[in-house]
Amino acid sequence: GDSVTQMEGPVTLSEEAFLTINCTYTATGYPSLFWYVQYPGEGLQLLLKATKADDKGSNKGFEATYRKETTSFHLEKGSVQVSDSAVYFCALSDRGGSQGNLIFGKGTKLSVKP
Amino acid sequence: KAGVTQTPRYLIKTRGQQVTLSCSPISGHRSVSWYQQTPGQGLQFLFEYFSETQRNKGNFPGRFSGRQFSNSRSEMNVSTLELGDSALYLCASSLVGQRSSGANVLTFGAGSRLTVL
Repeated sequence: GDSVTQMEGPVTLSEEAFLTINCTYTATGYPSLFWYVQYPGEGLQLLLKATKADDKGSNKGFEATYRKETTSFHLEKGSVQVSDSAVYFCALSDRGGSQGNLIFGKGTKLSVKP
Repeated sequence: KAGVTQTPRYLIKTRGQQVTLSCSPISGHRSVSWYQQTPGQGLQFLFEYFSETQRNKGNFPGRFSGRQFSNSRSEMNVSTLELGDSALYLCASSLVGQRSSGANVLTFGAGSRLTVL
């Protein structure tokens, strides 16, 4: 079945460092891809999304490009801040499946030190 | 506008008991999905409801059930609780567009943290 694999954390960076969190997926169809972020004690918030190959999602300085040839959707940010400390989840939605059924990766915990 | 509201936020139960969790979606959202989040298994899909009908169900035992009311509010129930049911239960709502769009965005609540002793 469909699946998402993302790099295991935790990831610890200094403020203003460059961030990459790797995400690859396996899907039989043409999924939409998402990054969600979870801050301590909160639910998940959508960070960005891409619906087709070569789409680039971006938000709050974060970017990810839908790469069909490598089945990847890596999350990047040029300069992280302490406030970016959170758990990041990569997810996919199979277009042929239920709209409410997202398949998530295990999550990557990011800690940014001042 | 108000977000997705889940109640209660925290609860403690003992093995064998049952629990009911509630979710009020964003106004106008007709689809509600439930997820279980644990450190070991991560986020796992439980079920999705739309217009009071269950549209999809994850791989959980029959002890896990849910329903949706005519105002789109949803409840999930877990009977005969086990220690392994301790988790954060997340509810998410969404506008339901065409299935082919594939870009449906889920808005999550803060979750209900269940501890089973």
